Amino acid sequence: GESVGLHLPTLSVQEGDNSIINCAYSNSASDYFIWYKQESGKGPQFIIDIRSNMDKRQGQRVTVLLNKTVKHLSLQIAATQPGDSAVYFCAEARIQGAQKLVFGQGTRLTINP
Amino acid sequence: GAVVSQHPSWVICKSGTSVKIECRSLDFQATTMFWYRQFPKQSLMLMATSNEGSKATYEQGVEKDKFLINHASLTLSTLTVTSAHPEDSSFYICSVFWDRGEKLFFGSGTQLSVL
Repeated sequence: GESVGLHLPTLSVQEGDNSIINCAYSNSASDYFIWYKQESGKGPQFIIDIRSNMDKRQGQRVTVLLNKTVKHLSLQIAATQPGDSAVYFCAEARIQGAQKLVFGQGTRLTINP
Repeated sequence: GAVVSQHPSWVICKSGTSVKIECRSLDFQATTMFWYRQFPKQSLMLMATSNEGSKATYEQGVEKDKFLINHASLTLSTLTVTSAHPEDSSFYICSVFWDRGEKLFFGSGTQLSVL
């Protein structure tokens, strides 16, 4: 099902520290997961994706971890920078119909100087 | 460069008027586009799936007569908010699905404010 939050969780970290953003997804049939970054007044920006046959995938300064057993997804951002401040959404889908994404609640990440 | 062009970026209109939002796929043909709505401090909610050459598929709770979707070509989908009311004020975002790469690209969004 869809997850829409009335209260946006927040996370504050110091510049240069690592941050971990967590997401619980709802559909055990989902096999494709994506993390998006959204800055104020803009559309979502793709960060990284992972398919269910993997439990970890790394990008540039970002790592996504998938735990299918507990339906949990996390995004790790290394050495955070001020430009990382944004709202981060996880999204789930089925590869056969991967276009129809269901977005998670979102987490607002603030990087403190 | 941008893969998806969404226009306008923002619009202010009077209650009762209709507003049209365009979503263009710039780099590839798209048989499927999606329209999302996002209220402040909330997540994106899928409104409808726009299918080229056929009727759009609306999500539960979305009024099809109020949110008219036209996908007349493989590169353009439009969302018309008819007889807009203040409660329709929201951030509307389109997305385009690229079949070959199984990737979804998002437009920059349209902020609608209904007075």
